[in-house]
Parts: sequence; structure tokens; C-alpha cells
Amino acid sequence: DIQMTQSPSSLSASLGDRVTITCRASQTISSHLNWYQEKPGKAPKLLIYAASTLQSGVPSRFSGTESGTDFTLTISSLQPEDVATYYCQQSHSTPRTFGQGTKVEIK
Amino acid sequence: QVQLQESGPGLVKPSETLSLTCTVSGGSVSSNTNYWTWIRQPPGKGLEWIGYIYYSGRTDYNPSLKSRVTISQDTSKNNFSLKLSSVTAADTAVYYCARDLVLPTGTTFCYAFDIWGPGTVVTVSS
Repeated sequence: DIQMTQSPSSLSASLGDRVTITCRASQTISSHLNWYQEKPGKAPKLLIYAASTLQSGVPSRFSGTESGTDFTLTISSLQPEDVATYYCQQSHSTPRTFGQGTKVEIK
Repeated sequence: QVQLQESGPGLVKPSETLSLTCTVSGGSVSSNTNYWTWIRQPPGKGLEWIGYIYYSGRTDYNPSLKSRVTISQDTSKNNFSLKLSSVTAADTAVYYCARDLVLPTGTTFCYAFDIWGPGTVVTVSS
């Protein structure tokens, strides 16, 4: 199985701050990396697929980059509605695997 | 617009079989562009992929659950189902069905869970 290691597990930032979440794959997954946002009591929502492609309807303050087996989700200016847990997920092979999640809160 | 809805018992006794159904509306389980998937999330924990079924009936399961999982589809009812046998308290979770869709990205493609059901809570307890 491909292991996805996500960091940090939680963070607290001020409104308007730039927030960065990192995900590392245990082996090469090309660009087959997706990011999801999960709010309490709701199903996860796809934000970014193929490492850097914004899903339709997702605000442009969200962006994704890749460097080898390292992937980054960035929120350029944190908004109140961004409070959530974020997960990375690889779709390079099965079993599909997720990172452990990063809980984002407002300071 | 495709929508998914899980249904099934919210309480299952230990050692019994958990059975859930995901009804697809606005689309077809016979689509060849995606896999129909089950994912679960134990309380306070992360997401775990259970497995998927393709329109052809081909299935793929998480090795950690493979001996206990069966995913099937009913094209006449436009739904797909999950059966998990010999459940224990560790199988208590929110169970989601989702569409694992192939998304084009320039010269290549990437699969992603673009549509999810709202999820259903399943508790294993006597």
C-alpha cells in the first residue's frame, strides 16, 4: 500500500493568513494526488485533483503544488469558512489511501 | 447532476453482517467513466477506502477488509451495495458511498472522489 503522510495534524492561524499543508507519498504517484475538505457532520468535498487542478466552484485561494513525492495544499488567505479538516488522497493505485488529516482552526 | 444516498440499518450486532445500499440518481451505475466506491470513517478518525465496483462488475477491495467485504450492483435499481461480514466494534463508523471519477488533466487523467453521499452512521453493538 502507498502510505500518505500528512503534516501538520492541526494548525491555528489568523484570518487572512497563508496556510500550508504538506502530504508526502511513500512512493512515486506521479500527479495522482487529490485534496479534500471535510466539515463536521458533512461528507468530504473535492478541492483539488491531479495535484494542482482546482475542482469547479472551489475558490481560487486554494492551490496545490507537487515536487516529486511531496505535495502541498495552500490557502492564500484564510477565511472563516475554511475551518475544516483537510485530507490528501492518492489515486495512483489501489488500495486508495488518505493522509491522516489536518485540522485547520482560526486563532 | 449525480447524487448518491446511502441507506441501511444504523445498528448491527457483533458477528453479524453489515449491509448498506447506495442509490444513484441523476446518473447510471452502468457508466464506464468511474468506479462506485465505499469509504468509511470511524469516530474521530480518518478516512478508509473499502473498495469499489466497476460497471462491468469487476471489484477491488482493501486488503485489510478483503476477506469480509462484498460490493455488488443492481443495474435495474440503479444502486450498488456493501456487505461486511463478522463485524466488531471496530467497524463502527460513518459509511460513505462515492463516485471515483476519471478527470482529464491536459494530456493525462486522474481519478478522484468527486461526488459523495451524505454518509450513514453504523454502530456495532449488542
